[in-house]
Amino acid sequence: DQQVKQNSPSLSVQEGRISILNCDYTNSMFDYFLWYKKYPAEGPTFLISISSIKDKNEDGRFTVFLNKSAKHLSLHIVPSQPGDSAVYFCAARSGTYKYIFGTGTRLKVLA
Amino acid sequence: EPEVTQTPSHQVTQMGQEVILRCVPISNHLYFYWYRQILGQKVEFLVSFYNNEISEKSEIFDDQFSVERPDGSNFTLKIRSTKLEDSAMYFCASYRDRNYEQYFGPGTRLTVT
Repeated sequence: DQQVKQNSPSLSVQEGRISILNCDYTNSMFDYFLWYKKYPAEGPTFLISISSIKDKNEDGRFTVFLNKSAKHLSLHIVPSQPGDSAVYFCAARSGTYKYIFGTGTRLKVLA
Repeated sequence: EPEVTQTPSHQVTQMGQEVILRCVPISNHLYFYWYRQILGQKVEFLVSFYNNEISEKSEIFDDQFSVERPDGSNFTLKIRSTKLEDSAMYFCASYRDRNYEQYFGPGTRLTVT
C-alpha cells in the first residue's frame, strides 16, 4: 500500500546549491503534508508542513510546494549545507489521526 | 526544550517472549503514536491514542499488540509474543493538537532472536 512515494532513494548535491526532494501521493483525501529529517539512531525531526489548501509554505531555507492536481509535493532546501545530510521523509495525514510516511530520500550535501 | 523520551534504547528478546516498550510523551500533549521502522524501510504507522483510547490502528497492529497510558505520563507498547519480523526501530511520537507537528522520541531498537 504505497500511498506516499519518494521515488528517489538518494540525492547528492553540492554545498550552496539547491536540493529538491520529491514526493508523490495517491490519496486525494490527504489534508496535511509534512517533511521530516532523520539522522541515524535518532527519531524523525519535523521540518516543515503544508495544508492541502495551500500551494507553498516557506520557513528559512526550506520551502515546500504542493501541486494538488499532480498529487505531488516537493521540498526545496537552499542553500544546501553539509549538516542537511540526512534521510528526508515526507508524510501525509489521512483522516484525523493517521500519518503515512514515504520511503525516504537520503540526501548527501557535498562540501 | 521538552522532548519525548523512550526506554530502553535497545531491547533484545527471544521469539515468543513479551516485551514492553516505554515512552514518556511531552507533558501537555494529547495525541500519542507508535511507529516502527524495519531496517532500511519506511516509517510505518502502528497506532494512535487519544483521550485514553485507541483512535486508529494499522493492519500491522494486530491482537499481539496493545497500548496503554497507565499513569498519565507513560505511554507503553506491548507485544505479547514476539516474532522475528517484529525486529525494528519503534518510535513513539506525540503532539498537542492537529495544528502542531509530531515530536518523535529517539526510538527503541527491538531485536528478536
